[in-house]
Amino acid sequence: DIQMTQSPSSLSASVGDRVTITCRASQSISSYLNWYQQKPKKAPKLLIYAASSLQSGVPSRFSGSGSGTEFTLTISSLQPEDFATYYCQQSYSFPWTFGQGTKVEIK
Amino acid sequence: EVQVLESGGGLVQPGGSLRLSCAASGFTFSSYAMSWVRQAPGKGLEWVSTISGSGDVTYYADSVKGRFTISRDNSKNTLYLQMNSLRAEDTAVFYCAKGSKPSGVGVWGQGTTVTVSS
Repeated sequence: DIQMTQSPSSLSASVGDRVTITCRASQSISSYLNWYQQKPKKAPKLLIYAASSLQSGVPSRFSGSGSGTEFTLTISSLQPEDFATYYCQQSYSFPWTFGQGTKVEIK
Repeated sequence: EVQVLESGGGLVQPGGSLRLSCAASGFTFSSYAMSWVRQAPGKGLEWVSTISGSGDVTYYADSVKGRFTISRDNSKNTLYLQMNSLRAEDTAVFYCAKGSKPSGVGVWGQGTTVTVSS
């Protein structure tokens, strides 16, 4: 199975900050890497698919990059509604696997 | 509007069975693979199972293989998850999801809660 490791596990940031979350795969997954945002008691929401493609309706302050084994999610200017938990997920091969999550909290 | 809506969750004793359903609308159901993803209380997301659009190909997480069966009825636009031999560690919110290899999981239901406890 492909293991996905996110870092950091949590971070504190202020509104307007630039935030970067890293996701590493235990083997190459090409660009089959997706990012999700989840708020408490809500279903996850797809933000980025195929490593760098912005899902329709998602604000342009979210961006993704990377290929192979190393990926990043960047929020260019953190907004109040962005405080949530973020997950990466590989869809390269079954079993699909998720990172452990990164909780973004208010500083 | 593309939607999926789960039902069938509840409280079940260890060793018991439960069948989840997911009603889909707003898209050509038979053209898309469908999946179940779960989230234990306070934990992260765990992929459970995926079925192809035609229903002839299925995939399972090792943690549920041999106990859970995914199926679909394309005439009813409905996805199912039959869960047998349930364990306490199966307690989770189960999400029905529409997704694919190249485009991620773009559609999620609101989730249905399964609690396995005596």
